[in-house]
Amino acid sequence: QKEVEQDPGPLSVPEGAIVSLNCTYSNSAFQYFMWYRQYSRKGPELLMYTYSSGNKEDGRFTAQVDKSSKYISLFIRDSQPSDSATYLCAVMDSSYKLIFGSGTRLLVRP
Amino acid sequence: EAGVVQSPRYKIIEKKQPVAFWCNPISGHNTLYWYRQNLGQGPELLIRYENEEAVDDSQLPKDRFSAERLKGVDSTLKIQPAELGDSAVYLCASSSGHSETQYFGPGTRLLVL
Repeated sequence: QKEVEQDPGPLSVPEGAIVSLNCTYSNSAFQYFMWYRQYSRKGPELLMYTYSSGNKEDGRFTAQVDKSSKYISLFIRDSQPSDSATYLCAVMDSSYKLIFGSGTRLLVRP
Repeated sequence: EAGVVQSPRYKIIEKKQPVAFWCNPISGHNTLYWYRQNLGQGPELLIRYENEEAVDDSQLPKDRFSAERLKGVDSTLKIQPAELGDSAVYLCASSSGHSETQYFGPGTRLLVL
């Protein structure tokens, strides 16, 4: 079993839709949870990170962590074509190592 | 401010040939990471440096892969000899100490024929 599981998609939505991206993880000891965005032929860039459980909002993006169910979510409101990318969830273990999911490809149609 | 710089951006080699990738981290970042990203997968850590010291190289295939960061700034990752299965994107990242925020370079896309 992989430590972080993520649906690869692709997920195709119309512009303006609310997007929900999700991951599950296996180790309850993880404390830091990240979302990275990766455009084609680029390196990943950090969107948001959350420590422990709860929500964090940044503009149109909201990250949510539910440690009881080991579930990580990213919501994108009013999605734009420029949001089309691969979204990678990641957890950080106690040795500061990042463990990534396989990524979900998102396409926002104009 | 310049981000993480990697070169070359693309490399095509035949199997059994050697190849090297270079990374220059963000100025002042003492922690440097090399990741490998296979097609359709997330990045996987190969090695992490704190200054000149490799503090986590447990995922580095040491029979053919080597890395160095001699002066605690830029770094080189080498594969010798390359195998078909080494085709992937090799990403370098850097951070300031033990940070939740790692900054990634654009990667080197390797194709082994």
